[in-house]
Amino acid sequence: KQEVTQIPAALSVPEGENLVLNCSFTDSAIYNLQWFRQDPGKGLTSLLLIQSSQREQTSGRLNASLDKSSGRSTLYIAASQPGDSATYLCAVRGGGFQKLVFGTGTRLLVSP
Amino acid sequence: GAVVSQHPSWVICKSGTSVKIECRSLDFQATTMFWYRQFPKQSLMLMATSNEGSKATYEQGVEKDKFLINHASLTLSTLTVTSAHPEDSSFYICSARSGRIDSPLHFGNGTRLTVT
Repeated sequence: KQEVTQIPAALSVPEGENLVLNCSFTDSAIYNLQWFRQDPGKGLTSLLLIQSSQREQTSGRLNASLDKSSGRSTLYIAASQPGDSATYLCAVRGGGFQKLVFGTGTRLLVSP
Repeated sequence: GAVVSQHPSWVICKSGTSVKIECRSLDFQATTMFWYRQFPKQSLMLMATSNEGSKATYEQGVEKDKFLINHASLTLSTLTVTSAHPEDSSFYICSARSGRIDSPLHFGNGTRLTVT
């Protein structure tokens, strides 16, 4: 059974810092991995999708890497802003299966 | 980008009544839709997977007679919480994707259900 863990559970940083969020999964046979952002009381916004054959994806100040063999992914946020404050979730889709297994999330607070 | 609309965004109902939540894909055909439940400060737990025109597949521990899912068209899926009880109070989120298995999931904004 796939299990997805995110560290840290919560993170508080001052504006402008670069930061890294970690995601680990127990079964490396994944189809893809997706990072999401969730604002309080809201749904999820897809940030980046990395296919199993890819090593990283970039979008603006966000960069996500994937090391499938070690069961890890990181989300790098450059020059953090207060508007980045949210919960960040990673989710993996196992090979041959449709459903995503979500991580426990990292609550990020960027203070001005 | 792909848009998924979920309605209502919040609902309060009395214990014993039924509540229907709608999930619509506005600009793409959603062959597969997923329904999740989220408790406060916890991650999303998949409840069921529905493919257009067929019965939903429920996750272990999810009562199919209590959480009725209908996916009658390529743009609409509904979740009906029947005979709701206070313990059903939660945040319900739907997601959808097109037919390609490598396509990303797009999520609705969720429905906050409070059963009194």
